[in-house]
Amino acid sequence: DIQMTQSPSSLSASVGDRVTITCQASHAISNYLNWYQQKPGKAPKLLIYGASNLETGVPSRFSGSGSGTRFTFTIRTLQPEDIATYYCQQYDDLPLTFGGGTKVEI
Amino acid sequence: EVQVVESGGNLVQPGGSLKLSCAASGFTFSGSAMHWVRQASGKGLEWVGRIKSKANSFATAYAASVKGRFTISRDDSKNTAYLQMNSLKTEDTAVYYCTRLGDNGDYRFDYWGQGTLVTVSS
Repeated sequence: DIQMTQSPSSLSASVGDRVTITCQASHAISNYLNWYQQKPGKAPKLLIYGASNLETGVPSRFSGSGSGTRFTFTIRTLQPEDIATYYCQQYDDLPLTFGGGTKVEI
Repeated sequence: EVQVVESGGNLVQPGGSLKLSCAASGFTFSGSAMHWVRQASGKGLEWVGRIKSKANSFATAYAASVKGRFTISRDDSKNTAYLQMNSLKTEDTAVYYCTRLGDNGDYRFDYWGQGTLVTVSS
């Protein structure tokens, strides 16, 4: 199985800050990497697919980059509504696997 | 408008069975691979399994933790997917989400249901 290691597991930042989350895959997965946002009590929401493609309707302050084994997710200027837990997910091979999540707080 | 609605979650005893349903609308269900993802309280997301479309022979795949106990099926005439869960264990307690794997060259979970809670406890 491909293990996805996210860091940090939690972070605290201020409104307007730049926030960066990393995801490391145990095997090279090309760019087969998605990022999701999950707010409490809600289903996950797709933000980034194919490592760097912004899902339709998602604000441009969200971005992703990387390939192979190391990936980065960035919120350019943190907004209050971005408080959530963020997950990476690989789709290179079954079983599909998620990172452990990064809880973003203000 | 896309809708994905799970139902069937309940309290069940260890060793028992439960069948979840996932009713979808607003997209071409018959051409879509449908997946189940679960989340235990306060924990992360865990992929459970998937069923592909008829064009892909309704192929199924499962996480090791549920293989042999859970079965995914679908009825394209009803735009509904199912998750049959047998020999349930306390560690199966979670919110179960149904999600579509969108494919425009990149595979991603683009549509999600609201989730249904399964509690396995005596």
